[in-house]
Amino acid sequence: DVQLVESGGGLVQPGGSLRLSCVCSGFNFRTYWMSWVRQVPGKGLEWVATTRESGRGKHYVDLVKGRFTVSRDDATKSLFLQMNSLRVEDTAVYYCARENYAIDYWGQGTLVTVSS
Amino acid sequence: QSVLTQPPSASGTPGQRVTISCSGSNSNIGRNIVAWYQQFPGAAPKLLINSNNQRPSGVPDRFSASKSGTSASLAISGLQSEDEADYYCSAWDDSLTGRVFGGGTKVTVL
Repeated sequence: DVQLVESGGGLVQPGGSLRLSCVCSGFNFRTYWMSWVRQVPGKGLEWVATTRESGRGKHYVDLVKGRFTVSRDDATKSLFLQMNSLRVEDTAVYYCARENYAIDYWGQGTLVTVSS
Repeated sequence: QSVLTQPPSASGTPGQRVTISCSGSNSNIGRNIVAWYQQFPGAAPKLLINSNNQRPSGVPDRFSASKSGTSASLAISGLQSEDEADYYCSAWDDSLTGRVFGGGTKVTVL
């Protein structure tokens, strides 16, 4: 079975940093694009970043460019999101997701709260 | 303001057919697969169907999808109480080089 398990969320002060991880299993990780999508509680879904297979290309929503970095480790089937200069408006549940012309699998999400 | 436009709500009585629209542009819906997601409160979204009408195993065929030009739609036939959830459309946008989502439609079973 395909599984995506996120970790690393928590409470952080504005201006702080956090690193999210997503460990994947049940599929050939290295051949898939992988994405991060976030959702403010009670609001809609917002795409954050995507890394192509082998990390050959990375794409970000404008709001996080220069602050967030997506990366992957194919050996450990892991996806990461390094989040720096965090803002209150980055508060959300962050989902790890597998891309297959559309997102076809989602993790359970990890909550990031940015607050003083 | 979401790049893809969905109605905020839709409703129907059990057994009815409900349709949700999703409007975009040539750079997203016009060129790429549109996917629909179902989300229950407190849970992660789940892939329901794509614009090629491909459903993951376990998704009932009461759910169907279509696409024409820069618009897509999701239809739920024989509406059931367990269909009460939020539904989102999504597509890759070649101009933005990123994924875009609709704002979501809350389906209520009356």
